[in-house]
Parts: sequence; C-alpha cells; structure tokens
Amino acid sequence: DAMVIQNPRYQVTQFGKPVTLSCSQTLNHNVMYWYQQKSSQAPKLLFHYYDKDFNNEADTPDNFQSRRPNTSFCFLDIRSPGLGDAAMYLCATSISLAGEGGNEQFFGPGTRLTVL
Amino acid sequence: GQNIDQPTEMTATEGAIVQINCTYQTSGFNGLFWYQQHAGEAPTFLSYNVLDGLEEKGRFSSFLSRSKGYSYLLLKELQMKDSASYLCAVTDSNYQLIWGAGTKLIIKP
Repeated sequence: DAMVIQNPRYQVTQFGKPVTLSCSQTLNHNVMYWYQQKSSQAPKLLFHYYDKDFNNEADTPDNFQSRRPNTSFCFLDIRSPGLGDAAMYLCATSISLAGEGGNEQFFGPGTRLTVL
Repeated sequence: GQNIDQPTEMTATEGAIVQINCTYQTSGFNGLFWYQQHAGEAPTFLSYNVLDGLEEKGRFSSFLSRSKGYSYLLLKELQMKDSASYLCAVTDSNYQLIWGAGTKLIIKP
C-alpha cells in the first residue's frame, strides 16, 4: 500500500544533542511537509518542499533544518533540541499544494520526541 | 491575522448525532478540510468543501457557508470509535493551510 512512513516512532534525546527524524513516501507526491504538534494544539507548519523548492515558514526557528535528497525522502534536523521542542513531529505529503483542486494531505504516523 | 475557531471539547452519546462547528477568518479562501485525529496518531482526511452547501459521506457530512466564514461537521449514528479530535483547516489565498486546534469529541455509552 502506498503510504507515508516515519522513523523512529519515538525518539528520546538529550538537551542540546542533535537529532534527525526521517520521513519517506511511496505516493510519489510532489509536496512534503513537516509539522510540529503539541498536545491539544493545532499542527504548526515548520516548512515544506515542492519538489526541490524549499519553503520555510517565517516563524520556524533556525534550530530546525530540513533536507529532501530525493522525491521519496525528507529529513528534519533539530540542531540543538531544547525542552520546548518536545512534541509530535508529523510528516505529510500531497500531490500539489493542499487545497489546489482539493488535494488532501496524507500524514505519516508521527515521531514523538522527548527531550531530557 | 488568520484565525480558526472550534470548540475545545464536546461530549455526545453513542448512537446520537453531533455537530462540530468551525468559524474562520483568513486571507482569502481556497477550501476547507476536516481531519480526524485519534489520540497519539496522525490526522486522517475526512472531507473537503470549496463550494457552499452540504457534502455527505456516509455517517459524516460537512457543510460550508463562505459568506459567513462557517463550516460544520455532522456525525451521525455515533460509535465509540468516533472518539477523537476533529480538526478544521482552511486553505488561504496562497494555498497555505491554516489549522484549528481541534475539537476533542468524547463519546459516552
């Protein structure tokens, strides 16, 4: 089945220790998104790629970086995690930008990050 | 600024009907999505409205009024598995998705 896969599902890191979260998709979608979601809050878009074009949200901290080496994979790098970065990180894909022709986003299962 | 408002929490009884409201103020409008999110899981797509009116999909229906900046999600014949958060998201003029914080729906037997 075509899907969005995130690894790991649970990640524990220490304060200030870099961490990388990964996402892969078999849907062959052009757009990949990274969201941060804290408990009972709306998903917060960090950035998205349209093919190789990187789009950073204005309020995404510099501590967060992303790479998309090919269509299938996208990585989220947190250079120096702080306690406030503990959250669920969701990867999503869509054929084109969400809303264009009603294109929905397909989400991976998420990675729950704990910062000690 | 851009804003999506939904009730924080609602409670309903198994077998009943519940309506979850969403109001929005955004820079332009290119459609409204409803997603379901079970605790600790990723959101899954439920419906999409871009024109005024009601879209029905099995037990779930979604309504949109663009002039009022208003939508609702109607869930019929509630089942225990419907206990989840329901997220409203609007696409603005730049095709950016603006998300609401979600409505936590609690189903009681």
